[in-house]
Amino acid sequence: EAQVTQNPRYLITVTGKKLTVTCSQNMNHEYMSWYRQDPGLGLRQIYYSMNVEVTDKGDVPEGYKVSRKEKRNFPLILESPSPNQTSLYFCASRDTGTSGYNEQFFGPGTRLTVL
Amino acid sequence: QKEVEQDPGPLSVPEGAIVSLNCTYSNSAFQYFMWYRQYSRKGPELLMYTYSSGNKEDGRFTAQVDKSSKYISLFIRDSQPSDSATYLCAMAGLSGGSYIPTFGRGTSLIVHP
Repeated sequence: EAQVTQNPRYLITVTGKKLTVTCSQNMNHEYMSWYRQDPGLGLRQIYYSMNVEVTDKGDVPEGYKVSRKEKRNFPLILESPSPNQTSLYFCASRDTGTSGYNEQFFGPGTRLTVL
Repeated sequence: QKEVEQDPGPLSVPEGAIVSLNCTYSNSAFQYFMWYRQYSRKGPELLMYTYSSGNKEDGRFTAQVDKSSKYISLFIRDSQPSDSATYLCAMAGLSGGSYIPTFGRGTSLIVHP
């Protein structure tokens, strides 16, 4: 089954304790990205990657890191989490065909609470 | 002003009603217009998309794009309780050789029996 998987699905942590949220896709997509979703603010892009070893900032990158060492994986790293990073996080992937819009597939989400 | 504006609702309608969901935008470079549906505790899923202006129909769903007014709509006919979800509009223009979407905040729809 074609899918984007994220782990963990739920995480409660404390301020300053480094954490990593993993994301993996099995569709051989070049493009992967991370979003956070907050009430009243909608989906905001954190980072995206056009391909292996190519990453770029989205709209809200502060406090986050990413890496793309393999095509299928795109982990999101919070080096020193703070309470304002409490949010619902989505990983997404899509093909980057030469024409038209390519559907973006989302993972099931990771609900993060930073105390 | 955000590039994409969408009323968060909630919008509550009785079963069988016609639902109209709308977004406005400011970026004239947008060429693709998408609607995603997000059920509670799930990731968004693409419902349908259109290219440039015009209408597109898929079963009970119709998407309309009016580029002159920078206004897009999603109509749901004969709404069902299973249509209860958050609907996100998204738009994309060509950037760096690819179409990367910009999302609206989403409208929460509740269809009650």
